[in-house]
Amino acid sequence: EAGVTQFPSHSVIEKGQTVTLRCDPISGHDNLYWYRRVMGKEIKFLLHFVKESKQDESGMPNNRFLAERTGGTYSTLKVQPAELEDSGVYFCASSQVIETWQFFGPGTRLTVL
Amino acid sequence: GENVEQHPSTLSVQEGDSAVIKCTYSDSASNYFPWYKQELGKGPQLIIDIRSNVGEKKDQRIAVTLNKTAKHFSLHITETQPEDSAVYFCAASGGQGGKLIFGQGTELSVKP
Repeated sequence: EAGVTQFPSHSVIEKGQTVTLRCDPISGHDNLYWYRRVMGKEIKFLLHFVKESKQDESGMPNNRFLAERTGGTYSTLKVQPAELEDSGVYFCASSQVIETWQFFGPGTRLTVL
Repeated sequence: GENVEQHPSTLSVQEGDSAVIKCTYSDSASNYFPWYKQELGKGPQLIIDIRSNVGEKKDQRIAVTLNKTAKHFSLHITETQPEDSAVYFCAASGGQGGKLIFGQGTELSVKP
C-alpha cells in the first residue's frame, strides 16, 4: 500500500509569487490534514478535510492560503502571494478515522526568497 | 488556546542507556496522545500512541505513560541504539476534532 505522497519535495520561489503544493493521501482515507513546521519550531495544524469538505480550517494563517480537495481524493494548498514568513516544511497527513493515528507524507520544503 | 510543552529540546545518551522525553498538555479534553519520530529528510512516523483510558503502553523498547490528572505524558526508550537518533514529537488530540497539537520536538542523539 502506497503511503502519503507530496509534490514537490522542495520549492524555491520569490516573494510575491504563487506556489501550489499537492498531497495524495492513502487510498480510502477520508481525513486529510495539512500541517506546517517553520524554522525548527513545532509542527502546527493548518486545516482538516473530511472527504471534500473543510472540517476545521482554524490553523490557516491568512487568506493568502487556499486549500482544496476536489472529489475527496488529492488536495492542493496554494499560497498566493507568498511572503518570506511562509517558508517552512509543509506536511500532509491522512487517517481513516478521526482521533486515530495520522500517516504523514515526506513534506514539501518551501523557501521564499 | 491548547498547548503542548515538550522537554528537553535536545538529549544526548550513550548507546544502551535509556532516554525519557516528557510532555505536558493544557486541554483537559485531550484523549489521544501519539508520539512521532522524524528522521532527516523524512516525514514524521508514528511510533506509539496512547489513549486517555490507559495509563501505560509498551512496544518492545518503547513505552509511553500518561497521567491525566497532572496532564503529563512521557516517552521511554530503553537500550537505545544509534538508529534511534532522530527528532521526536509528542502530540495531543481530542476536544477539537482530529487535529494534532504538537510539542516543540526533542532531538535525540545516541552515541555509539
